[in-house]
Amino acid sequence: SAVISQKPSRDICQRGTSLTIQCQVDSQVTMMFWYRQQPGQSLTLIATANQGSEATYESGFVIDKFPISRPNLTFSTLTVSNMSPEDSSIYLCSVGGWTGELFFGEGSRLTVL
Amino acid sequence: GIQVEQSPPDLILQEGANSTLRCNFSDSVNNLQWFHQNPWGQLINLFYIPSGTKQNGRLSATTVATERYSLLYISSSQTTDSGVYFCAVERLKVEYGNKLVFGAGTILRVKS
Repeated sequence: SAVISQKPSRDICQRGTSLTIQCQVDSQVTMMFWYRQQPGQSLTLIATANQGSEATYESGFVIDKFPISRPNLTFSTLTVSNMSPEDSSIYLCSVGGWTGELFFGEGSRLTVL
Repeated sequence: GIQVEQSPPDLILQEGANSTLRCNFSDSVNNLQWFHQNPWGQLINLFYIPSGTKQNGRLSATTVATERYSLLYISSSQTTDSGVYFCAVERLKVEYGNKLVFGAGTILRVKS
């Protein structure tokens, strides 16, 4: 299984600001995935990040609000832009293993005031 | 899109009891996984089980793909088993991917 590190682990942010979450993997992976988990809810896929191409966003998520970078095969960032209290969530980075399994980082817990 | 339903939504067990969690899905899948989210939010991959049966210690899982359901068995439950159990699936398709759709989860509380 891959080791996935996320930063920050948690943060408290002011309304209207932006925050960038980093995800580092200990091995090269083709696809990285960003999920959101709102309080008391399940996980929802935000986007798939492929190296060398633009991220593919799921319905309800747009690039202006959640810009994603994927500069190489071991790293990705997700920015939550112009935050509002509704953006308070856990944001999780994940990668797929060779056998199809999905592994998650520890998550970044954001609280927007 | 594919629908994933988990039951029960909540479960309270006395330590040492056994339990069965269920996951129903609405379409053929090529990927099904069970996860445990601990109280600190960490998601742990329990089983990758698109079909068949697997066991890992006190946990086991069975997926009957033709009938579109999966079961997670927890035996001799411990307080550390508390948390949320998620079932996640990916619809059967030609191209490779890991775009999992998650169920709503089962909240398990094990009392000592």
